[in-house]
Amino acid sequence: SQTIHQWPATLVQPVGSPLSLECTVEGTSNPNLYWYRQAAGRGLQLLFYSVGIGQISSEVPQNLSASRPQDRQFILSSKKLLLSDSGFYLCASSAGTRPQHFGDGTRLSIL
Amino acid sequence: SQQGEEDPQALSIQEGENATMNCSYKTSINNLQWYRQNSGRGLVHLILIRSNEREKHSGRLRVTLDTSKKSSSLLITASRAADTASYFCATDAQGAQKLVFGQGTRLTINP
Repeated sequence: SQTIHQWPATLVQPVGSPLSLECTVEGTSNPNLYWYRQAAGRGLQLLFYSVGIGQISSEVPQNLSASRPQDRQFILSSKKLLLSDSGFYLCASSAGTRPQHFGDGTRLSIL
Repeated sequence: SQQGEEDPQALSIQEGENATMNCSYKTSINNLQWYRQNSGRGLVHLILIRSNEREKHSGRLRVTLDTSKKSSSLLITASRAADTASYFCATDAQGAQKLVFGQGTRLTINP
């Protein structure tokens, strides 16, 4: 079965600093990969998804970007963080629209 | 806007009672999925029901789907304290490679 690794689990960053969150997947090949953000007590907002290496679809205009340098690696980045970037970031993997497997998330606080 | 909307937003019941959560969506779908999220963790897939199915069971879970009303329900029977979590429905629009999640129902089981 698939295992999704996300790190770090928590992160506190100052406004204007850069960001790099990494997600790696084990147990599958050529997965679809997803980055979500979740505000406290709310649902998931899809930020980016990727159906293959170098293929990134952005769902919402924002201060963030994503890259997929390897088949099972998905990176979420920002050059300059905003206060509004705070949240719980989740990476997920799936084969097509089959059930998604989620990592345990990164809680990002911007000060 | 979010495809799936759960109802109620929060539900508190006594251990042993049944819990019912509802989900409505707006467009044609291939399938509808239910996920569970414990506080501060990633989502865990519970059950998937295809658009040509009307009811599905998995252990203490029963899911129904009414495509004419664009709605689904999740029933958890004989609830346990460990069922305390947030529950989300997610739909995949036909032809899409992504899921759209609702805002979730926060379920609390009181011992």
